[in-house]
Amino acid sequence: EAAVTQSPRNKVTVTGGNVTLSCRQTNSHNYMYWYRQDTGHGLRLIHYSYGAGNLQIGDVPDGYKATRTTQEDFFLLLELASPSQTSLYFCASKQGSDYTFGSGTRLLVI
Amino acid sequence: GEQVEQRPPHLSVREGDSAVIICTYTDPNSYYFFWYKQEPGAGLQLLMKVFSSTEINEGQGFTVLLNKKDKQLSLNLTAAHPGDSAVYFCAVTPLSGSFNKLTFGAGTRLAVCP
Repeated sequence: EAAVTQSPRNKVTVTGGNVTLSCRQTNSHNYMYWYRQDTGHGLRLIHYSYGAGNLQIGDVPDGYKATRTTQEDFFLLLELASPSQTSLYFCASKQGSDYTFGSGTRLLVI
Repeated sequence: GEQVEQRPPHLSVREGDSAVIICTYTDPNSYYFFWYKQEPGAGLQLLMKVFSSTEINEGQGFTVLLNKKDKQLSLNLTAAHPGDSAVYFCAVTPLSGSFNKLTFGAGTRLAVCP
């Protein structure tokens, strides 16, 4: 069964801080995604990738960078974190039309 | 691009009652439709994936209806129980073009009271 593992589970950082969220999937799915979840907005797509070295811009990319280092690993980078980036972040992988989501990383920027 | 409106944002029902959540989408090319359940502190659990070709889809304790004419997708929970209390999200994606992107509704927080 496909598994998507996110780390850390929770993270607190200060405004202007540097944060990296990690995601690893174990089923060699081509597509990987980073979403943020906020009340009243559902999940919104930040960045996605269809393979190692590839990066596609999502719908809310401002303030975020991402890097897909391998087929398995997709990272989300916040280089100058702001309080508006306080959110619940989900990573997902996809094969065909089947998506697998991680358990989420809760980020608090103070 | 695709937009998905989900309503209601909050829903409270008594145990044994039915609960209905409706999503309205804009892209007539939408082809795959998803319902996810999110329990407190947990990730997204897939309830059902439906295809554009099937209008009525039955799961365990719920039915998903797809009305392509009105571009509406609904989740009907029959005889709700406290274990159904969660946030529910719909999501849609087309067969081509933005196929590789899921667009989500804003979510419905369902509370089932004993």
